[in-house]
Amino acid sequence: ETGVTQSPTHLIKTRGQQVTLRCSSQSGHNTVSWYQQALGQGPQFIFQYYREEENGRGNFPPRFSGLQFPNYSSELNVNALELDDSALYLCASSPRQGGAEKLFFGSGTQLSVL
Amino acid sequence: AQRVTQPEKLLSVFKGAPVELKCNYSYSGSPELFWYVQYSRQRLQLLLRHISRESIKGFTADLNKGETSFHLKKPFAQEEDSAMYYCALSGSGNTGKLIFGQGTTLQVKP
Repeated sequence: ETGVTQSPTHLIKTRGQQVTLRCSSQSGHNTVSWYQQALGQGPQFIFQYYREEENGRGNFPPRFSGLQFPNYSSELNVNALELDDSALYLCASSPRQGGAEKLFFGSGTQLSVL
Repeated sequence: AQRVTQPEKLLSVFKGAPVELKCNYSYSGSPELFWYVQYSRQRLQLLLRHISRESIKGFTADLNKGETSFHLKKPFAQEEDSAMYYCALSGSGNTGKLIFGQGTTLQVKP
């Protein structure tokens, strides 16, 4: 059984640029959620994707967008990067829509915005 | 507003001592609560959920709706329990949204 994998592990961008983060869900999981974890804070929910559609969204601006593909992998896109976007971005997969009771997390992508 | 508060950033105990990691929540409705743990150089993983009412690695947590608390307890701490612990609340709607507290670092000294 393959766990949740995220790429890249680290990324450095400058303010105003755009970034794409990638996530492969755990085998058998059809739902992917994205979280942002700032230094010293708990993870914050960005959105969830189920069957290639956004299933729920947290308090993040529209420049945070996502995609889910037929193989259930997912991308997180952030446009017009700001310094405050520097954080660890976590992807979590679950075996069903919602699925908060059974989230499996990846190791994260550390994004630094200079 | 839905919120999870973990009042202690760091809890340091000696091996064999009892442990209580505090968690308070704010939620209008029937909450679903979880404890997640992150060991050094490992990914965030579920430790236990209140619905299961189970003991995992000697840890238990009881939901107290009157005090809106979900404290994590273990009678005798082990060095391998040293980790970051997050309390989390499942938000309303079937979105998979978890609301996390800021986390408590548990340090178990030999």
